[in-house]
Amino acid sequence: GESVGLHLPTLSVQEGDNSIINCAYSNSASDYFIWYKQESGKGPQFIIDIRSNMDKRQGQRVTVLLNKTVKHLSLQIAATQPGDSAVYFCAENPGTYKYIFGTGTRLKVLA
Amino acid sequence: DAGVIQSPRHEVTEMGQEVTLRCKPISGHNSLFWYRQTMMRGLELLIYFNNNVPIDDSGMPEDRFSAKMPNASFSTLKIQPSEPRDSAVYFCASSLTGADEAFFGQGTRLTVV
Repeated sequence: GESVGLHLPTLSVQEGDNSIINCAYSNSASDYFIWYKQESGKGPQFIIDIRSNMDKRQGQRVTVLLNKTVKHLSLQIAATQPGDSAVYFCAENPGTYKYIFGTGTRLKVLA
Repeated sequence: DAGVIQSPRHEVTEMGQEVTLRCKPISGHNSLFWYRQTMMRGLELLIYFNNNVPIDDSGMPEDRFSAKMPNASFSTLKIQPSEPRDSAVYFCASSLTGADEAFFGQGTRLTVV
């Protein structure tokens, strides 16, 4: 279930702390964004999405922030738990079927 | 709904053999995607179907790869003949319209020896 590349960025966070995972997207025409979580041996799982007419969206323990000016997306996970350990990647969609997936960030939760 | 269902979960085959991967999308979704995931290249779109019709197969690496969607509830990805460089995890995903949330299956880990 590895995401991409030999040098996957890794974020190590203490259990209970907040995590912030960042993503720079490439297409200024993209108007829909998704964060996926991929655990080892599993397929990507939808976490939260946001459309370009919003700059913030909250879910359960997760918040996505969108900064269209600098083409930046972030995922905030509150009170990180061991079960949050996974590879996270963003996907952008310019209104077509061609999702563009980010390179992924590995989140390690330290007990 | 059980989500997107792929089979088999794991496949080990010898070089030169034919491999067929199967996918059942979520009922009611009109868009189906086949992706390949490797360490080096991440998630690559191989082919996209809309209403059972192949719309974009530009990601299919070679003529050795082919995909079909005979009906709204079934798709196959075939590799013939398989080569070691085809070793990867192959994901099927479906979405309602193609421009909204894509739901992924658990993937098929293919190893060609």
